[in-house]
Amino acid sequence: QVQLVESGGGMVRPGGSLTLPCAASGFTFTMHAFHWVRQAPGKGLEWVAVVSYEGGNKYYADSVKGRFTISRDNFKNTVSLQMNSLRPEDTAVYFCARDKLRGITGEFTLDYWGQGTLVTVSS
Amino acid sequence: DIQMTQSPSSLSASIGDRITITCQASQDITRYLNWYQQKPGKAPHLLMYEASNLETGVPSRFSGSGTGTDFTLTISTLQPEDIGTYYCQQYENFPLTFGGGTKVEIK
Repeated sequence: QVQLVESGGGMVRPGGSLTLPCAASGFTFTMHAFHWVRQAPGKGLEWVAVVSYEGGNKYYADSVKGRFTISRDNFKNTVSLQMNSLRPEDTAVYFCARDKLRGITGEFTLDYWGQGTLVTVSS
Repeated sequence: DIQMTQSPSSLSASIGDRITITCQASQDITRYLNWYQQKPGKAPHLLMYEASNLETGVPSRFSGSGTGTDFTLTISTLQPEDIGTYYCQQYENFPLTFGGGTKVEIK
């Protein structure tokens, strides 16, 4: 069955960096785009970034553009979110989510989600 | 950015009730709208895609409708397992945006 497992969360100081890997299994990895979505404690969902099936197209929320980088390794079936210059407002549970499609048609539907990993940015 | 406004922000209903959640977009998004359910402490789960298409495995008591700027999610007969928070999401434009959520509780 489809599984997405995030890791790498933890506590980091403001200005610090963290990388979140997401390991995927149970489906053909290269047929899908992937997203990162975050949820601050007690708040709603905020889309962060997407990478297309081959890694050629990437889009970011304005709040993370220039600080976060999404990438994928189609040999290791992993998606990663590298987060630099972290701020307290980046504190959230970060979810990795699979897209139904390859991410090249303009249609974006997140059909499977991991359980999330908590990132806390605090001094 | 396209703003997604959900209402109500919370509701309390009895088992067996019919409930409707609305989602309004700040501009025309044709039918590029999805609905998700998030149970407490869990990841979101896709319910409906492209406004009215039921995701595989989702009970038929869930239905979606709408086009343009106004959309609805309806649960025809509320069940205990339907408690949680429901979110709409548009994909007409980047950034993808979610509504603020509607928390559903059992009366």
